[in-house]
Amino acid sequence: GNSVTQMEGPVTLSEEAFLTINCTYTATGYPSLFWYVQYPGEGLQLLLKATKADDKGSNKGFEATYRKETTSFHLEKGSVQVSDSAVYFCALSEGYSSASKIIFGSGTRLSIRP
Amino acid sequence: DAMVIQNPRYQVTQFGKPVTLSCSQTLNHNVMYWYQQKSSQAPKLLFHYYDKDFNNEADTPDNFQSRRPNTSFCFLDIRSPGLGDAAMYLCATSTSSGVNTQYFGPGTRLTVL
Repeated sequence: GNSVTQMEGPVTLSEEAFLTINCTYTATGYPSLFWYVQYPGEGLQLLLKATKADDKGSNKGFEATYRKETTSFHLEKGSVQVSDSAVYFCALSEGYSSASKIIFGSGTRLSIRP
Repeated sequence: DAMVIQNPRYQVTQFGKPVTLSCSQTLNHNVMYWYQQKSSQAPKLLFHYYDKDFNNEADTPDNFQSRRPNTSFCFLDIRSPGLGDAAMYLCATSTSSGVNTQYFGPGTRLTVL
């Protein structure tokens, strides 16, 4: 079945460091890919998405490129801030069928030191 | 701003005492979901409504029920909460057209005493 694997946390970085959180997926067909962020005590917020191969999603300085050849959707940011400390979930949605399920990765906790 | 609203944000109940969590949305989305999330694990889908059609996940306990009286509102009823039901409950919505992008509410943190 379809699945999402993301790097285990916690990830601890200093402010202004470069961030990469790896995400790979297994899917039949052509899924859409997402990154969600969850701040402490909050719900999930959609950070960015990509719906087809080679699409790049971007938001708030974060980027991820849909790589079909490597089945990956790695999250990157050039210079992280303390306010980026959160849990990040990579996810896929199985195609365009209505109410199709979202499959989440296990989440990666990111902590940024001042 | 269009949004997904959950009330209350924090709910305390006693073991075995029924509790209802509510979700409302101003996005006019026809699909609404309920998830359970424990300790920053990935959210676990309990069920969803596609318009008025209820879709239960196979492993969702019977203790969990849901109601959707209209497009905007959806309720999660826990008939007899156990200690293991303490969790964050997340409501999400999506539209059935195009890519299934789900939009989440802020969640309700349920404590069972």
